[in-house]
Amino acid sequence: EPEVTQTPSHQVTQMGQEVILRCVPISNHLYFYWYRQILGQKVEFLVSFYNNEISEKSEIFDDQFSVERPDGSNFTLKIRSTKLEDSAMYFCASRTDRGSNQPQHFGDGTRLSIL
Amino acid sequence: DAKTTQPPSMDCAEGRAANLPCNHSTISGNEYVYWYRQIHSQGPQYIIHGLKNNETNEMASLIITEDRKSSTLILPHATLRDTAVYYCIVRPPNDFNKFYFGSGTKLNVKP
Repeated sequence: EPEVTQTPSHQVTQMGQEVILRCVPISNHLYFYWYRQILGQKVEFLVSFYNNEISEKSEIFDDQFSVERPDGSNFTLKIRSTKLEDSAMYFCASRTDRGSNQPQHFGDGTRLSIL
Repeated sequence: DAKTTQPPSMDCAEGRAANLPCNHSTISGNEYVYWYRQIHSQGPQYIIHGLKNNETNEMASLIITEDRKSSTLILPHATLRDTAVYYCIVRPPNDFNKFYFGSGTKLNVKP
């Protein structure tokens, strides 16, 4: 069964450094999402992306964050200058365009640790 | 999006059916009910979704009451690997709509 894959599984970065989290969505999916989950807390929406542009973003997704679909298969989340509070699990999700009720499918996440 | 209410935790014996309830009394007519689960910090895993009819797939069954104000996810023969946090989410079929994850129900399957 096709799945969303995320790399790396664990990223350790010094505070203030830039980090790029990578995702390969399911191949025929056109809607893409990033969520995050701080340890012990709820899964929170960050951003949705369709047709090469952001369709919606949360208040968490400030100017330090950006997303990109650099080619036909990858979807990336960049954090420009990481802060300690960016430490979290980051989940990528994708959805088919065959009906707006279709579910999102999630990857297993990247654990981001900011030192 | 309609708010959902789930018990914080439930226990189930291995091999028995696990019945996880969800209350969504303010659900609107076009809002779907989705169930996901999260096994120990893995990504949320889609289980099933429905609008008003009962649904069944290889993982579970979803029973939605006639007034749609509540639903039950049924895992027919729970195994230890079904131990996870189960999320009930209600949202309309909007193309860009994100999922709001609440606190869910921690299901503990015991031998």
